[in-house]
Amino acid sequence: DGGITQSPKYLFRKEGQNVTLSCEQNLNHDAMYWYRQDPGQGLRLIYYSQIVNDFQKGDIAEGYSVSREKKESFPLTVTSAQKNPTAFYLCASSINGLPDTQYFGPGTRLTVL
Amino acid sequence: KNEVEQSPQNLTAQEGEFITINCSYSVGISALHWLQQHPGGGIVSLFMLSSGKKKHGRLIATINIQEKHSSLHITASHPRDSAVYICAVGKTSGSRLTFGEGTQLTVNP
Repeated sequence: DGGITQSPKYLFRKEGQNVTLSCEQNLNHDAMYWYRQDPGQGLRLIYYSQIVNDFQKGDIAEGYSVSREKKESFPLTVTSAQKNPTAFYLCASSINGLPDTQYFGPGTRLTVL
Repeated sequence: KNEVEQSPQNLTAQEGEFITINCSYSVGISALHWLQQHPGGGIVSLFMLSSGKKKHGRLIATINIQEKHSSLHITASHPRDSAVYICAVGKTSGSRLTFGEGTQLTVNP
């Protein structure tokens, strides 16, 4: 079955620690995205990548970092510089990076204690 | 003002009722998307449309490009339709989606 996987579903970390969220897709999509969702707000774009070894900042990139070494993987690191990291994080992919249909992963809920 | 506005923010209905959720946008778009987010957090794409109307089962999506407005209708609503419905637009000037805040729909039996 093709799809997007994110792990883990729930993640707890102590303040000041970096944490990496996993996102893997086997849809052979070129583009991948990371979004943050907070209660009462729309999805906000953190980073996106339209091709391997290339990525761009979204609207709220500060305190986050990404890599795109493989087409199927787009991990997101939440660094200690992110002031308010507790949120629901969603990864998505699309075929060619145009504003086309995006396929979403199940999300990771990060709680920083 | 957000580029994508949805109304209402919250909607409670009785099973069987006809539901309408609205989306207005203020930018030029190449396509508009309706998404559904279930309580567990997963998001699925319902429709992508750039003109006219699309129908899938009990769901109907319409768009009026001149008025920059789209509606999502649910006929014969059911408790399993309870979810957050999100409108998103792909702007003509870029490759990203811009999202509305979502509409929380609760359908009571």
